Amino acid sequence: ETGVTQTPRHLVMGMTNKKSLKCEQHLGHNAMYWYKQSAKKPLELMFVYSLEERVENNSVPSRFSPECPNSSHLFLHLHTLQPEDSALYLCASSQDVWGQGEETQYFGPGTRLLVL
Amino acid sequence: AQKVTQAQTEISVVEKEDVTLDCVYETRDTTYYLFWYKQPPSGELVFLIRRNSFDEQNEISGRYSWNFQKSTSSFNFTITASQVVDSAVYFCALPGTDKLIFGTGTRLQVFP
Repeated sequence: ETGVTQTPRHLVMGMTNKKSLKCEQHLGHNAMYWYKQSAKKPLELMFVYSLEERVENNSVPSRFSPECPNSSHLFLHLHTLQPEDSALYLCASSQDVWGQGEETQYFGPGTRLLVL
Repeated sequence: AQKVTQAQTEISVVEKEDVTLDCVYETRDTTYYLFWYKQPPSGELVFLIRRNSFDEQNEISGRYSWNFQKSTSSFNFTITASQVVDSAVYFCALPGTDKLIFGTGTRLQVFP
């Protein structure tokens, strides 16, 4: 398997549920990212990990909790979400975290999340 | 601050037409990179191209071509002889201080 994979592809959850999104990259990259894409809004960067350490957290609510156990895997743990959290959640990876902005990010297919 | 503007929200064309997607950017950096991504209905963002600001030569890849004009801060994307499979949302992006800044995207619909 190659590239960046995400599971599940679709998820419906209630506001009291706890679920996790999984991302795996098979590119040997050192940096991984979580993005949120809501309808008619620009892509929002949520978290950045470099070599399993979080380097960026763009004021994301605590109901989203990332975990990066190794450089190939990234999780997003979800609990007590709100309906406005319904969106497409995209994972990406790059060789390293942008230094001069030259790093190309490669994206997974995303998880479409619906919070009821 | 860095900014990317894609003024065309949606474009519809008939197959085999040529179509150009506009991208205008703002940056204070003297050297920078620019990206284009394609997002088909499946959701995955597919990397198309990365250009260095040093290189202003136009790039062609099959039916795709990119016109980089530093003087007008534009990095436009042209699809020649469009096909139904080109239907997608296309994003232009520019690295910011600490993240990749995406435009709002242009939805391209190619009808048979």
